[in-house]
Amino acid sequence: KNEVEQSPQNLTAQEGEFITINCSYSVGISALHWLQQHPGGGIVSLFMLSSGKKKHGRLIATINIQEKHSSLHITASHPRDSAVYICAVRSRDKRGGATNKLIFGTGTLLAVQP
Amino acid sequence: DTEVTQTPKHLVMGMTNKKSLKCEQHMGHRAMYWYKQKAKKPPELMFVYSYEKLSINESVPSRFSPECPNSSLLNLHLHALQPEDSALYLCASSHSPGRTNTEAFFGQGTRLTVV
Repeated sequence: KNEVEQSPQNLTAQEGEFITINCSYSVGISALHWLQQHPGGGIVSLFMLSSGKKKHGRLIATINIQEKHSSLHITASHPRDSAVYICAVRSRDKRGGATNKLIFGTGTLLAVQP
Repeated sequence: DTEVTQTPKHLVMGMTNKKSLKCEQHMGHRAMYWYKQKAKKPPELMFVYSYEKLSINESVPSRFSPECPNSSLLNLHLHALQPEDSALYLCASSHSPGRTNTEAFFGQGTRLTVV
Protein backbone atom coordinates (compact mmCIF):
# COMPACT_ATOMS: atom_id res chain seq x y z
CA LYS A 1 0.00 0.00 0.00
CA ASN A 2 1.36 3.42 -0.99
CA GLU A 3 2.08 5.86 1.80
CA VAL A 4 0.22 8.54 -0.18
CA GLU A 5 -2.98 7.60 -1.95
CA GLN A 6 -4.96 9.80 -4.31
CA SER A 7 -8.44 9.46 -5.69
CA PRO A 8 -9.73 9.42 -8.26
CA GLN A 9 -6.89 8.35 -10.57
CA ASN A 10 -8.72 9.78 -13.58
CA LEU A 11 -11.39 12.46 -13.67
CA THR A 12 -13.32 13.92 -16.59
CA ALA A 13 -15.44 17.00 -15.98
CA GLN A 14 -17.46 19.48 -17.99
CA GLU A 15 -16.37 23.08 -18.05
CA GLY A 16 -17.79 24.95 -15.07
CA GLU A 17 -18.07 21.94 -12.79
CA PHE A 18 -16.78 21.88 -9.20
CA ILE A 19 -13.96 19.36 -8.87
CA THR A 20 -12.56 17.60 -5.82
CA ILE A 21 -9.40 15.51 -5.69
CA ASN A 22 -8.60 13.62 -2.50
CA CYS A 23 -5.35 12.62 -0.87
CA SER A 24 -4.83 10.31 2.12
CA TYR A 25 -1.50 9.56 3.75
CA SER A 26 -0.30 7.10 6.34
CA VAL A 27 2.95 8.67 7.58
CA GLY A 28 3.76 11.55 9.87
CA ILE A 29 4.22 14.71 7.87
CA SER A 30 5.53 18.22 8.36
CA ALA A 31 3.72 19.58 5.29
CA LEU A 32 1.60 18.52 2.34
CA HIS A 33 2.02 19.84 -1.19
CA TRP A 34 -0.41 20.00 -4.08
CA LEU A 35 1.38 20.10 -7.42
CA GLN A 36 0.24 20.49 -11.02
CA GLN A 37 1.92 18.95 -14.04
CA HIS A 38 0.88 19.50 -17.65
CA PRO A 39 1.65 16.70 -20.13
CA GLY A 40 5.37 16.45 -20.81
CA GLY A 41 6.02 19.46 -18.63
CA GLY A 42 7.53 20.54 -15.38
CA ILE A 43 5.80 20.64 -12.04
CA VAL A 44 4.20 23.74 -10.56
CA SER A 45 3.64 24.04 -6.84
CA LEU A 46 0.02 25.04 -6.12
CA PHE A 47 -0.10 24.86 -2.33
CA MET A 48 1.90 23.86 0.68
CA LEU A 49 -0.23 23.13 3.75
CA SER A 50 0.45 22.11 7.30
CA SER A 51 -3.02 22.90 8.68
CA GLY A 52 -6.38 24.37 7.77
CA LYS A 53 -7.23 25.75 4.38
CA LYS A 54 -5.66 27.86 1.64
CA LYS A 55 -7.24 29.57 -1.36
CA HIS A 56 -5.67 30.89 -4.53
CA GLY A 57 -8.01 32.07 -7.24
CA ARG A 58 -10.31 29.19 -8.14
CA LEU A 59 -8.26 26.65 -6.22
CA ILE A 60 -8.86 25.69 -2.60
CA ALA A 61 -6.83 23.19 -0.58
CA THR A 62 -7.77 21.80 2.82
CA ILE A 63 -6.04 19.46 5.20
CA ASN A 64 -7.26 17.50 8.23
CA ILE A 65 -4.19 16.44 10.19
CA GLN A 66 -6.09 14.17 12.57
CA GLU A 67 -7.68 12.26 9.69
CA LYS A 68 -4.51 12.41 7.54
CA HIS A 69 -6.51 13.66 4.60
CA SER A 70 -6.35 16.57 2.21
CA SER A 71 -8.55 17.75 -0.62
CA LEU A 72 -7.94 19.99 -3.62
CA HIS A 73 -11.01 21.76 -4.98
CA ILE A 74 -11.31 23.57 -8.29
CA THR A 75 -14.29 25.87 -8.68
CA ALA A 76 -15.70 26.82 -12.11
CA SER A 77 -13.35 24.40 -13.87
CA HIS A 78 -11.90 25.34 -17.26
CA PRO A 79 -10.22 23.28 -20.00
CA ARG A 80 -6.89 24.92 -19.13
CA ASP A 81 -7.14 23.19 -15.72
CA SER A 82 -6.59 19.86 -17.53
CA ALA A 83 -3.40 18.42 -16.05
CA VAL A 84 -2.11 15.85 -13.59
CA TYR A 85 -2.56 16.92 -9.98
CA ILE A 86 -0.12 15.38 -7.53
CA CYS A 87 -0.27 15.24 -3.76
CA ALA A 88 3.10 14.99 -2.04
CA VAL A 89 3.97 14.94 1.65
CA ARG A 90 7.16 16.02 3.36
CA SER A 91 7.87 13.28 5.87
CA ARG A 92 9.05 13.58 9.47
CA ASP A 93 12.16 11.91 10.85
CA LYS A 94 12.27 9.80 14.06
CA ARG A 95 12.73 12.92 16.18
CA GLY A 96 9.69 14.54 14.61
CA GLY A 97 11.58 17.04 12.49
CA ALA A 98 10.96 17.67 8.80
CA THR A 99 13.06 15.75 6.30
CA ASN A 100 14.26 16.47 2.80
CA LYS A 101 12.07 13.70 1.41
CA LEU A 102 8.88 14.28 -0.53
CA ILE A 103 6.64 11.22 -0.87
CA PHE A 104 4.46 11.48 -3.96
CA GLY A 105 1.01 10.16 -4.66
CA THR A 106 0.37 8.57 -8.04
CA GLY A 107 -1.45 11.62 -9.36
CA THR A 108 -4.91 12.40 -10.66
CA LEU A 109 -5.31 12.98 -14.38
CA LEU A 110 -7.96 15.68 -14.84
CA ALA A 111 -9.56 16.40 -18.21
CA VAL A 112 -12.00 19.32 -18.38
CA GLN A 113 -14.07 19.30 -21.53
CA PRO A 114 -15.51 22.47 -23.07
CA ASP B 1 12.78 35.18 -8.87
CA THR B 2 10.98 31.91 -8.05
CA GLU B 3 12.36 29.93 -10.95
CA VAL B 4 14.32 26.74 -11.16
CA THR B 5 15.97 26.67 -14.57
CA GLN B 6 17.02 23.42 -16.18
CA THR B 7 19.09 22.96 -19.30
CA PRO B 8 18.88 21.47 -21.79
CA LYS B 9 15.13 20.98 -22.24
CA HIS B 10 15.65 17.96 -24.48
CA LEU B 11 18.66 15.65 -24.82
CA VAL B 12 19.27 12.66 -27.04
CA MET B 13 22.42 10.71 -26.26
CA GLY B 14 24.03 7.45 -27.24
CA MET B 15 24.92 4.78 -24.73
CA THR B 16 28.62 5.63 -24.97
CA ASN B 17 28.20 9.39 -24.62
CA LYS B 18 28.95 11.59 -21.63
CA LYS B 19 26.58 14.47 -21.02
CA SER B 20 25.49 16.72 -18.16
CA LEU B 21 22.18 18.13 -17.02
CA LYS B 22 22.22 21.50 -15.33
CA CYS B 23 19.93 23.15 -12.79
CA GLU B 24 20.09 26.66 -11.38
CA GLN B 25 18.11 28.62 -8.79
CA HIS B 26 18.59 32.01 -7.16
CA MET B 27 16.07 31.77 -4.32
CA GLY B 28 18.68 31.13 -1.65
CA HIS B 29 17.52 27.54 -1.27
CA ARG B 30 20.10 25.26 0.32
CA ALA B 31 18.35 21.97 -0.52
CA MET B 32 18.39 20.80 -4.13
CA TYR B 33 16.99 17.61 -5.59
CA TRP B 34 17.13 15.40 -8.67
CA TYR B 35 14.08 13.35 -9.58
CA LYS B 36 13.49 10.88 -12.40
CA GLN B 37 10.00 10.59 -13.85
CA LYS B 38 8.81 7.90 -16.25
CA ALA B 39 5.63 8.38 -18.27
CA LYS B 40 2.43 8.34 -16.22
CA LYS B 41 4.35 7.74 -12.99
CA PRO B 42 5.12 10.06 -10.08
CA PRO B 43 8.64 11.46 -9.73
CA GLU B 44 11.19 9.19 -8.05
CA LEU B 45 13.79 10.80 -5.82
CA MET B 46 17.38 10.24 -6.94
CA PHE B 47 19.59 12.62 -4.95
CA VAL B 48 19.30 15.37 -2.37
CA TYR B 49 21.96 17.99 -1.67
CA SER B 50 21.78 19.94 1.56
CA TYR B 51 24.16 22.87 1.99
CA GLU B 52 26.11 21.66 -1.05
CA LYS B 53 26.69 18.22 0.49
CA LEU B 54 25.09 15.02 -0.77
CA SER B 55 22.61 13.99 1.93
CA ILE B 56 20.46 11.39 0.18
CA ASN B 57 21.36 8.93 -2.59
CA GLU B 58 18.44 6.64 -3.30
CA SER B 59 20.67 3.77 -4.47
CA VAL B 60 21.10 5.34 -7.87
CA PRO B 61 23.44 3.54 -10.32
CA SER B 62 26.91 5.07 -10.59
CA ARG B 63 26.33 5.98 -14.23
CA PHE B 64 24.48 8.98 -12.72
CA SER B 65 26.86 11.30 -10.89
CA PRO B 66 25.53 14.42 -9.14
CA GLU B 67 27.54 17.51 -8.38
CA CYS B 68 26.72 20.68 -6.48
CA PRO B 69 29.46 23.22 -7.29
CA ASN B 70 27.81 26.02 -5.30
CA SER B 71 24.56 26.88 -3.55
CA SER B 72 22.84 27.91 -6.79
CA LEU B 73 23.89 25.15 -9.15
CA LEU B 74 23.22 21.44 -9.37
CA ASN B 75 24.54 19.17 -12.11
CA LEU B 76 23.81 15.59 -13.05
CA HIS B 77 26.60 13.93 -15.03
CA LEU B 78 25.55 11.06 -17.25
CA HIS B 79 27.82 8.33 -18.59
CA ALA B 80 27.16 4.97 -20.23
CA LEU B 81 23.41 5.21 -19.83
CA GLN B 82 20.95 2.55 -20.90
CA PRO B 83 17.78 3.02 -22.98
CA GLU B 84 15.70 2.37 -19.85
CA ASP B 85 17.20 5.54 -18.36
CA SER B 86 15.16 7.55 -20.85
CA ALA B 87 12.84 9.72 -18.75
CA LEU B 88 12.03 13.26 -17.66
CA TYR B 89 14.66 14.45 -15.16
CA LEU B 90 13.37 17.07 -12.78
CA CYS B 91 15.35 19.36 -10.55
CA ALA B 92 13.79 20.96 -7.49
CA SER B 93 14.88 23.23 -4.68
CA SER B 94 13.59 24.30 -1.29
CA HIS B 95 14.72 25.82 1.95
CA SER B 96 16.25 23.25 4.26
CA PRO B 97 13.92 21.37 6.65
CA GLY B 98 14.86 23.53 9.62
CA ARG B 99 13.23 26.56 8.00
CA THR B 100 9.53 27.34 8.36
CA ASN B 101 8.75 27.47 4.64
CA THR B 102 9.93 24.34 2.85
CA GLU B 103 7.84 24.77 -0.28
CA ALA B 104 9.48 22.94 -3.17
CA PHE B 105 9.98 24.61 -6.54
CA PHE B 106 10.47 22.46 -9.62
CA GLY B 107 12.14 23.08 -12.94
CA GLN B 108 10.57 22.28 -16.30
CA GLY B 109 12.66 19.16 -16.61
CA THR B 110 15.05 17.70 -19.16
CA ARG B 111 13.48 15.12 -21.47
CA LEU B 112 16.28 12.56 -21.92
CA THR B 113 16.28 9.91 -24.62
CA VAL B 114 19.03 7.29 -24.66
CA VAL B 115 19.51 5.58 -28.00
